[in-house]
Amino acid sequence: DGGITQSPKYLFRKEGQNVTLSCEQNLNHDAMYWYRQDPGQGLRLIYYSQIVNDFQKGDIAEGYSVSREKKESFPLTVTSAQKNPTAFYLCATGRGLTGGPGELFFGEGSRLTVL
Amino acid sequence: GQNIDQPTEMTATEGAIVQINCTYQTSGFNGLFWYQQHAGEAPTFLSYNVLDGLEEKGRFSSFLSRSKGYSYLLLKELQMKDSASYLCAPDSNYQLIWGAGTKLIIKP
Repeated sequence: DGGITQSPKYLFRKEGQNVTLSCEQNLNHDAMYWYRQDPGQGLRLIYYSQIVNDFQKGDIAEGYSVSREKKESFPLTVTSAQKNPTAFYLCATGRGLTGGPGELFFGEGSRLTVL
Repeated sequence: GQNIDQPTEMTATEGAIVQINCTYQTSGFNGLFWYQQHAGEAPTFLSYNVLDGLEEKGRFSSFLSRSKGYSYLLLKELQMKDSASYLCAPDSNYQLIWGAGTKLIIKP
């Protein structure tokens, strides 16, 4: 099946710990995105990547890090520097700048709770 | 700056029609998307408008006026499963800009 796989679906973290959220896609899309969603709010862009080995900060990149070593994979690390990490994290893919309109396809999301 | 305005919440009756409005201000506008998001789930694509006018897709239709920076999503024959948030997302230089969404509550 073509799609986007995020894992884990639920994650609990103690304060001071780094955690990494996985996002894998087999849609052959160039662009990948990480969003954060808090209750009653819109999606806020953390990082995005239009091509392998390159990524850009979004609106709320502080306390997060990413890598794009393969086209299929775009993991997000939530570091201990992120002051309020409890949120719903969504990974998305798109055809990118060369692919025309920016329709995004989403994974099922990862819900992170800091204890 | 970039701005999107949608009502926070709307209530409608099963079987009725509801219109969800969205006004936006963006640069490099390339079109506008509507997504549906059920509670606790990821958004799913509903519609895309790039030209002015109405696009109809089954029970859902979406309208765009580029000159007015205005779009609406029209849902007909409402069903209980339509209870969800509806997100208006203009494409600005091939990046989607997200509003907070409109929570639609359907009552029997």
